[in-house]
Amino acid sequence: NAGVTQTPKFRVLKTGQSMTLLCAQDMNHEYMYWYRQDPGMGLRLIHYSVGEGTTAKGEVPDGYNVSRLKKQNFLLGLESAAPSQTSVYFCASTRTSGSADTQYFGPGTRLTVL
Amino acid sequence: GQNIDQPTEMTATEGAIVQINCTYQTSGFNGLFWYQQHAGEAPTFLSYNVLDGLEEKGRFSSFLSRSKGYSYLLLKELQMKDSASYLCAVIDSNYQLIWGAGTKLIIKP
Repeated sequence: NAGVTQTPKFRVLKTGQSMTLLCAQDMNHEYMYWYRQDPGMGLRLIHYSVGEGTTAKGEVPDGYNVSRLKKQNFLLGLESAAPSQTSVYFCASTRTSGSADTQYFGPGTRLTVL
Repeated sequence: GQNIDQPTEMTATEGAIVQINCTYQTSGFNGLFWYQQHAGEAPTFLSYNVLDGLEEKGRFSSFLSRSKGYSYLLLKELQMKDSASYLCAVIDSNYQLIWGAGTKLIIKP
């Protein structure tokens, strides 16, 4: 089992460029999440999905879009990157959204927007 | 608003014991997690508390007091590999995870 994987691991964009981050999990988990992590702040939820074909907004959704066409994949898109989106992005998955369900994280994508 | 407070940084000595505190003010409570995150890596699960009391797992223990909105993570027999950030996260009434900013633990020989 690879668990949760993310591609790419690193990326540098210029302001206004677009890109898609891919998250894949092989644990047959229903729920998937995209977070951003910035220095001095906790993980902040961008978008999440409760199952194939569904998406929902999290705490900081502006400037991002997501899609979950297949159960194992969750894509995060930046249509027009801004320097404020420089961050480390983590994808996570859980079997369900039950209270005690552990989140399994991918290794992260380090994005710099110039 | 919802708030989780943890010390920003702590320093401890190899072989010693350290306690990392977490206080929270959230809309409802459905459980509390502790995660470990080494520099440049993803967070990994350490513990989960939903009832008051102490949960022990090897060298790590986690305590919860719901009435005080307080938890701590206790690390015993510290090893150099325990140098990491420790993240406290609370599940609120909407079953959303609210994350603290994390405590960076530095272990010195």
